[in-house]
Amino acid sequence: SAVISQKPSRDICQRGTSLTIQCQVDSQVTMMFWYRQQPGQSLTLIATANQGSEATYESGFVIDKFPISRPNLTFSTLTVSNMSPEDSSIYLCSVVGPYTGELFFGEGSRLTVL
Amino acid sequence: KQEVTQIPAALSVPEGENLVLNCSFTDSAIYNLQWFRQDPGKGLTSLLLIQSSQREQTSGRLNASLDKSSGRSTLYIAASQPGDSATYLCAVRHLPLPISGGYNKLIFGAGTRLAVHP
Repeated sequence: SAVISQKPSRDICQRGTSLTIQCQVDSQVTMMFWYRQQPGQSLTLIATANQGSEATYESGFVIDKFPISRPNLTFSTLTVSNMSPEDSSIYLCSVVGPYTGELFFGEGSRLTVL
Repeated sequence: KQEVTQIPAALSVPEGENLVLNCSFTDSAIYNLQWFRQDPGKGLTSLLLIQSSQREQTSGRLNASLDKSSGRSTLYIAASQPGDSATYLCAVRHLPLPISGGYNKLIFGAGTRLAVHP
């Protein structure tokens, strides 16, 4: 299994500001994934981050709003830009384990926008 | 378009009961199915992964079955405990993309919120 650390674990932010969430994995992985979970909802994939290339965004998500960096095989960041209360969610980083395709998640970053 | 449904949405049981959580999916061309547990405000913990060629997987008091042809999976929890209280999510993944060989995203169900009371 993979150990995934996310920072911050939670934050309260003001409308119009931006927040960067960090995700660190204890092993090298090709793909990292960013999910959003809005209150009372299930998970929605935001984007897939591959090292050395631009992230691939899902329908409804754009790079200007959710820029992603992937500088190496163990680290990624997701920025939530120009936040509004609708961005209040848990943001989760995940990776696929080797061989089996099992998906592992970090503890999540709980964001509240006032 | 793949849709994943979990029934029931919520369940409350007394400690010690055996229980079954259900997951159904509309497209049977899946690569694997995974069950997760999520505690309030936290990330997801992987419980069991079933490959499309498998019928079931077991881990401790948990047993997950897969009937791909009927589009169903069940998670069986034996001798439930208060510590089992959480939301249980199932997710399916389709076959890898044929051209790029890349990863296909997981499609999640809405979850079953389980409460086990002493």
